[in-house]
Amino acid sequence: KAGVTQTPRYLIKTRGQQVTLSCSPISGHRSVSWYQQTPGQGLQFLFEYFSETQRNKGNFPGRFSGRQFSNSRSEMNVSTLELGDSALYLCASSIDRNYEQYFGPGTRLTVT
Amino acid sequence: DQQVKQNSPSLSVQEGRISILNCDYTNSMFDYFLWYKKYPAEGPTFLISISSIKDKNEDGRFTVFLNKSAKHLSLHIVPSQPGDSAVYFCAAPFYNQGGKLIFGQGTELSVKP
Repeated sequence: KAGVTQTPRYLIKTRGQQVTLSCSPISGHRSVSWYQQTPGQGLQFLFEYFSETQRNKGNFPGRFSGRQFSNSRSEMNVSTLELGDSALYLCASSIDRNYEQYFGPGTRLTVT
Repeated sequence: DQQVKQNSPSLSVQEGRISILNCDYTNSMFDYFLWYKKYPAEGPTFLISISSIKDKNEDGRFTVFLNKSAKHLSLHIVPSQPGDSAVYFCAAPFYNQGGKLIFGQGTELSVKP
């Protein structure tokens, strides 16, 4: 079974721009969660989607948003990028709330 | 408020010896714990989990122990191999918010040949 895939793997953007990251979960997995990893803050939860609905949200500003499509693929969007948004963005999928989440390789976002 | 803590940022172990990685938590509502392993520039890989109804779970070279009264869990790797060198994270699902994992800060394990 194919794992979680994320595109693109690397991205360089300028302050003020917006960015969209994509995640394809493992086949059959309906829950998709997004995390941000930075050296200072570690791995922090952004939001979770299940059946196209945001079911849970972390403590991030409204510039961070996401959505999920009917095939469970998910996208996250960051608008008005700031230097502090430079991070590794990780997507994880699971069947449902059964806790074992399987992570993709991440998208490394650099904001200059 | 760091609800899951890994107080050792790094650990160095000789190949063939035991590696013990520790994790403490403060929220008594946590009832399930997971360990992930992460290489640089890759996503975390799920290793092993434990439910609060157990105090031990074993999978090959990996064993996780849970001490609920101390709010402490540990991951034992025996024997340690150079390929085990990575950052290890413990994590817990936030109570009643499945899909949200709270991660510790990670411990970087270095296994020397």
